[in-house]
Amino acid sequence: QKEVEQNSGPLSVPEGAIASLNCTYSDRGSQSFFWYRQYSGKSPELIMFIYSNGDKEDGRFTAQLNKASQYVSLLIRDSQPSDSATYLCAVTAGITQGGSEKLVFGKGTKLTVNP
Amino acid sequence: DADVTQTPRNRITKTGKRIMLECSQTKGHDRMYWYRQDPGLGLRLIYYSFDVKDINKGEISDGYSVSRQAQAKFSLSLESAIPNQTALYFCATSDLSMDEQFFGPGTRLTVL
Repeated sequence: QKEVEQNSGPLSVPEGAIASLNCTYSDRGSQSFFWYRQYSGKSPELIMFIYSNGDKEDGRFTAQLNKASQYVSLLIRDSQPSDSATYLCAVTAGITQGGSEKLVFGKGTKLTVNP
Repeated sequence: DADVTQTPRNRITKTGKRIMLECSQTKGHDRMYWYRQDPGLGLRLIYYSFDVKDINKGEISDGYSVSRQAQAKFSLSLESAIPNQTALYFCATSDLSMDEQFFGPGTRLTVL
């Protein structure tokens, strides 16, 4: 059973601080890694993806991938109250001729940014 | 207009009733997925489809069935609803060349 583990939180940071969210995965064959943001009662929204080891930056967000350690992280710089949400880590599982078969999601980390 | 739509958005029904949840997309994606989300359990895959003739079971398919009527439409049915099927249901799509999935707004289903 492919697994994706996240600290459920809640993670609480002050406004303007760096929020660090972590994720580990069990399947060494996973190729692609995603971070989704989900506000309460709403659908998951893709905010970052990363395919290669190292860092990928997009605005205030940085995704970090270490395939050897099977570890993915998301850093949010200058955290804002509007960043308060649950963050879902997702990794690909199953390889077909057309690419990965599906995503396996972690249970999410709830982030609260305090003004 | 939203790229992925789900109907109904909210539904309350009784044990034993047949329920159909519908998903439509205008993104032109080949792949479509049905998930349910429960507090503390995260998103769990029910069924997925790579094209009109392809249906695959996910990790929790028991009690559910699906129909892929067209590339743009994927329906989820509960033949005889039970209270533990009360959950938030999401449809998602992805393109054949990408792994990213895009979610619909969700259907909140309550089975009494």
